[in-house]
Amino acid sequence: SYELTQPPSVSVSPGQTASITCSGDKLGDKYTNWYQQKPGQSPVLVIYQDSRRPPGIPERFSGSNSGNTATLTISETQAMDEADYYCQAWDSRTVVFGGGTKLTVL
Amino acid sequence: QVQLVESGGGLVKPGGSLRLSCAASGFSFSDYYMNWIRQAPGKGLEWVSYISSGDSSISYADSVKGRFTISRDNAKNSLYLQMSSLRAEDTAVYYCARGIASPGAGWFDPWGQGTLVTISS
Repeated sequence: SYELTQPPSVSVSPGQTASITCSGDKLGDKYTNWYQQKPGQSPVLVIYQDSRRPPGIPERFSGSNSGNTATLTISETQAMDEADYYCQAWDSRTVVFGGGTKLTVL
Repeated sequence: QVQLVESGGGLVKPGGSLRLSCAASGFSFSDYYMNWIRQAPGKGLEWVSYISSGDSSISYADSVKGRFTISRDNAKNSLYLQMSSLRAEDTAVYYCARGIASPGAGWFDPWGQGTLVTISS
């Protein structure tokens, strides 16, 4: 079965850039979507189709996808960005989520 | 505004059954495919199932295939998940989520608030 691999944790200082990776076989041939989940809340879509940003998501969130790796980038990271982030892709008719990355803003 | 509200969670003994519901509002429910996604306590997200807008296409995760049945009632703007032969590992918060674009290439937005299912004797 298809797998997506994310680092369990990423730390960043306020105002710096955070990068969260998601790896999978030929992931660049698929679309990758990203979700943010804060403690006690439901997931929220932050990036879809690799790099598109839904209405209401700050411009500091961006995404890319090439080769075997998709990347979620958060520029000028703020304390409010501290959350778990999950990548998601499709494998034929099933959905695959990455294991999630806990972003800590120190 | 677009809203999804799950209900039906609770405590069930292993081997038991439960039916979850998701009430949709604020959008044309019959135009979208719908999904169930779960999250075990302290764990990551696991997709469970999707159903196409006209319920002609349905897919399940291997972990629930043969035990769970997804359905929808477009007249009632409602999504359902019938769960049977429940196991301890089915314990999770179950979210319904609207699917955007087409199954196979889409994304999920928004998600409901979730309903907790606990399987324990």
